[in-house]
Amino acid sequence: SQQGEEDPQALSIQEGENATMNCSYKTSINNLQWYRQNSGRGLVHLILIRSNEREKHSGRLRVTLDTSKKSSSLLITASRAADTASYFCATVPLSGSARQLTFGSGTQLTVLP
Amino acid sequence: EAGVAQSPRYKIIEKRQSVAFWCNPISGHATLYWYQQILGQGPKLLIQFQNNGVVDDSQLPKDRFSAERLKGVDSTLKIQPAKLEDSAVYLCASSLETGARKVYEQYFGPGTRLTVT
Repeated sequence: SQQGEEDPQALSIQEGENATMNCSYKTSINNLQWYRQNSGRGLVHLILIRSNEREKHSGRLRVTLDTSKKSSSLLITASRAADTASYFCATVPLSGSARQLTFGSGTQLTVLP
Repeated sequence: EAGVAQSPRYKIIEKRQSVAFWCNPISGHATLYWYQQILGQGPKLLIQFQNNGVVDDSQLPKDRFSAERLKGVDSTLKIQPAKLEDSAVYLCASSLETGARKVYEQYFGPGTRLTVT
């Protein structure tokens, strides 16, 4: 079953604009990660935020985490056509030894030149 | 460093036939994962290996799917016999996580796109 649900399912913006994607999850987590998937490719890790962190930055990426609401957001600033891809959030559970990732259903981002 | 390698990249088979996928993880990565990604959905974990032992295969349809990781390095995933609903991309991923060091980032291969007709 999918742990995270991304919102919106699809997003289309102009180059230079900011893109915001949201993720909600159900169970307590150790950390939450965001991945990007270009069409026909594997997933690429973007950023990891731990449950005791509220905000994290990496280049043009900003991730926030609200554990009380069980939600996270990914902001891509000054978007480029090359950012066109599917973006997935994935959670690692707080308990359990497997430390597995459970992925959401993804947001398809299209950046128009 | 070389990434996760998978082959073949594409495979078309008829239902009831068998198929096998191969994965070579990043050198030194103890943990290996196989995921199934149906079009329009996120990846779903099928099986997780730690070295050559199975950590979790609870979501693997064991009546038709099998996987092994020889000598704790390469891995193969087999489907026999295939059904129409097995059409998906099969992704292999690896991570450095060992018992002593918890590293959660996973590195993915390009995947194998399977079409069952």
